[in-house]
Amino acid sequence: QVQLKESGPGLVQPSQTLSLTCTVSGFSLTSNSVHWVRQPPGKGLEWVGAIWSGGSTDYNSALKSRLSISRDTSKSQVFLKMNSLQTEDTAIYFCTRVGLATYWYFDFWGPGTMVTVSS
Amino acid sequence: DIVMTQSPSSLAVSAGETVTINCKSSQSLFGSVRQKNYLAWYQQKPGQSPKLLIYLASTRESGVPDRFIGSGSGTDFTLTISSVQAEDLANYYCQQYYDTPLTFGSGTKLEIK
Repeated sequence: QVQLKESGPGLVQPSQTLSLTCTVSGFSLTSNSVHWVRQPPGKGLEWVGAIWSGGSTDYNSALKSRLSISRDTSKSQVFLKMNSLQTEDTAIYFCTRVGLATYWYFDFWGPGTMVTVSS
Repeated sequence: DIVMTQSPSSLAVSAGETVTINCKSSQSLFGSVRQKNYLAWYQQKPGQSPKLLIYLASTRESGVPDRFIGSGSGTDFTLTISSVQAEDLANYYCQQYYDTPLTFGSGTKLEIK
């Protein structure tokens, strides 16, 4: 069955770099795109970026200068790296899957990982 | 960027009532090639990740109860929940996938009286 799971450090100091991993199963990264969505505490959902099935990437323009998404298809893992972290980056980070290449809605989500930016 | 405006931001209803949540996009989400509206609805219960309810504006995801109904076209969309149940306590979000950046509405918090 399709599963996604995020992992990461939990606490990051301001100005440091965040590294998150999304490990997937039940589908191939070369068939489905994987996206990152974040949610600040008590707030709404924000699309962060994506790595498409062909390997190209797309980023939220507000984060683009600080963000990198990559993958290791042999390990079924997608990576998010965001530098120069600020307190506003405190959020739950979800990885999620697009089921159909032509329609970019999210049919499966990971449980999310909480990232707190604090000294 | 396509801006998604959701209303109301919150509402409280009694079990058995019908609820309507609105979502308006800053540009049309109707794709002329496939003749489809590129809009989805999600339900997020407290402490959980979002769950897909509706895609293509009106198609229910497998396993979603038929009391959840999506409608609308172009720039105006609605999620209707008929005969609300206690388990429907959640935040509801619309999302456009007509173009990147993908964008969400600000959410509607549904409370049960």
